[in-house]
Amino acid sequence: GAVVSQHPSRVICKSGTSVKIECRSLDFQATTMFWYRQFPKQSLMLMATSNEGSKATYEQGVEKDKFLINHASLTLSTLTVTSAHPEDSSFYICSAARGSLNEQFFGPGTRLTVL
Amino acid sequence: ILNVEQSPQSLHVQEGDSTNFTCSFPSSNFYALHWYRWETAKSPEALFVMTLNGDEKKKGRISATLNTKEGYSYLYIKGSQPEDSATYLCASVNAGNMLTFGGGTRLMVKP
Repeated sequence: GAVVSQHPSRVICKSGTSVKIECRSLDFQATTMFWYRQFPKQSLMLMATSNEGSKATYEQGVEKDKFLINHASLTLSTLTVTSAHPEDSSFYICSAARGSLNEQFFGPGTRLTVL
Repeated sequence: ILNVEQSPQSLHVQEGDSTNFTCSFPSSNFYALHWYRWETAKSPEALFVMTLNGDEKKKGRISATLNTKEGYSYLYIKGSQPEDSATYLCASVNAGNMLTFGGGTRLMVKP
């Protein structure tokens, strides 16, 4: 199968701190990974597309300076929420694309709570 | 259609009922259509990836069809079971590799 891990699964932090979330493809290489955010009772919202070795592509309305994405290797992408505020509290989930049809394999998600 | 739309938003069925729901997507610049099953407290799991007009895929009691000319896909569940309760998401991929998720259909199967 194709397994994607995410770490940490849950984080609680104070307002103003930065939080880094890691997304790893464990048994395949992923040139493209995606970061999503889920608001309560809503579907997944694509935040950005992370490309190995190049800059991430951000969706409209997502602040690139706020949500820093680094895709340093074919198995690891990181999302850093900088200077987190309570409104950044959400469920963040990543996926890694495999194959020519971009089939998505999702990580288990990270619940971020900013106090 | 500019966005990916799913209907209905939620659906309650009785165990044993068959059901279906719809995903509408932009037909221009189409590349692939994905269906995912998302259970509470778990990550979404891929069900089907379809590309060709008229494609029909099946996995157990779940099947899906694709019409790329008119921009819709149906997901069918035959003889629903309580374990089928989940949110079913579709996502459209265009030729520019842009992936867009629909809002999902939340299915609840009552025993």
